[in-house]
Amino acid sequence: AQSVTQPDIHITVSEGASLELRCNYSYGATPYLFWYVQSPGQGLQLLLKYFSGDTLVQGIKGFEAEFKRSQSSFNLRKPSVHWSDAAEYFCAVGARNTDKLIFGTGTRLQVFP
Amino acid sequence: DAGVIQSPRHEVTEMGQEVTLRCKPISGHNSLFWYRQTMMRGLELLIYFNNNVPIDDSGMPEDRFSAKMPNASFSTLKIQPSEPRDSAVYFCASSSAGTGIWETQYFGPGTRLLVL
Repeated sequence: AQSVTQPDIHITVSEGASLELRCNYSYGATPYLFWYVQSPGQGLQLLLKYFSGDTLVQGIKGFEAEFKRSQSSFNLRKPSVHWSDAAEYFCAVGARNTDKLIFGTGTRLQVFP
Repeated sequence: DAGVIQSPRHEVTEMGQEVTLRCKPISGHNSLFWYRQTMMRGLELLIYFNNNVPIDDSGMPEDRFSAKMPNASFSTLKIQPSEPRDSAVYFCASSSAGTGIWETQYFGPGTRLLVL
């Protein structure tokens, strides 16, 4: 069965520092992979997605993620974090021929000035 | 575009009462998803519809939960009777997926439910 693991429950970084949020998935074939962000009291917003092709995916708000099949990972990165990036980040995997997304448990990002 | 609209945004009710959550998907989208988010279980898919037809309700926790989609622009999630453990944030999402989840799911702002 598909699953998603986000090993880091909570990450704290200083504003301007680089960021990497980890995501590992379990799926037998090439998955569809997503990163969503949830600001406090808000719904989820898509940051980026990977379906095929270039394994380095660019998203909104300066985020990028890299699909590494050998490591079953899809880590999210940002070179310089802004205070407004403080939020909860969810990685998700979907399977072909279904409409279902499986979400990870999320990583809460805190940004210090 | 108005986005996915959910109502109410907040609901406080007493155990045993019926609760109805409402969702209006983005116009033109033909898939609709209901999720529940709790601290303990994270984000769970409850049920989803494609072209108003329920496709997978395996995530619905028990018979107290029911969902309908009478037309392409409206869906309800009903809990009857409600219990304190149903307290959560319920999200509705929609997509234009006709053939699979490679279409982005757009989420509504959620309904925060508290059952006393």
